[in-house]
Amino acid sequence: GQNIDQPTEMTATEGAIVQINCTYQTSGFNGLFWYQQHAGEAPTFLSYNVLDGLEEKGRFSSFLSRSKGYSYLLLKELQMKDSASYLCATYTGGFKTIFGAGTRLFVKA
Amino acid sequence: EAQVTQNPRYLITVTGKKLTVTCSQNMNHEYMSWYRQDPGLGLRQIYYSMNVEVTDKGDVPEGYKVSRKEKRNFPLILESPSPNQTSLYFCASSLEGTPSTDTQYFGPGTRLTVL
Repeated sequence: GQNIDQPTEMTATEGAIVQINCTYQTSGFNGLFWYQQHAGEAPTFLSYNVLDGLEEKGRFSSFLSRSKGYSYLLLKELQMKDSASYLCATYTGGFKTIFGAGTRLFVKA
Repeated sequence: EAQVTQNPRYLITVTGKKLTVTCSQNMNHEYMSWYRQDPGLGLRQIYYSMNVEVTDKGDVPEGYKVSRKEKRNFPLILESPSPNQTSLYFCASSLEGTPSTDTQYFGPGTRLTVL
């Protein structure tokens, strides 16, 4: 079966750090994407993890544990423009990508 | 400028009236895909194409058709639209079927309402 869970909404304060979790049960799992999507816009690529561990890219980092079926996206030094939905998605080969419902992040001043 | 374009961006139509949403990319990408996005359900893959004349069903293909007669274009066809196809549609493309740091580029989206 295919199942991806992530929180529906989160709120954090400007300048703070926030961690968005994602758990998955995906047969044929190859890797995990994180996308950012502002309201009414297309998703934009943030990261793709294949191996266990943390990958850092500027203010954003993504972690994967294949054995636990778990990933998180870490956003540091939050800015108001980071208010968006964050989509977790698993890649299962043949470019079949399965998306979670997304986590809506609100950044407050 | 590298981009994926979709037309129309907004469409209101009536049940049963055939429509086509066009998708075009200028990056010579082999792989293209259509998704629909509904509140609480996330993005769901409708159809994808690995190259010209090669297409396959995604998770929710019912009620949709696609064609890939040339590399740059991947139209989505609704032969007889129904209200449950009211949704936000995204086209995406990538160079290959295997993700890398250069992964899927998404079009701007088409908001379709079927009355």
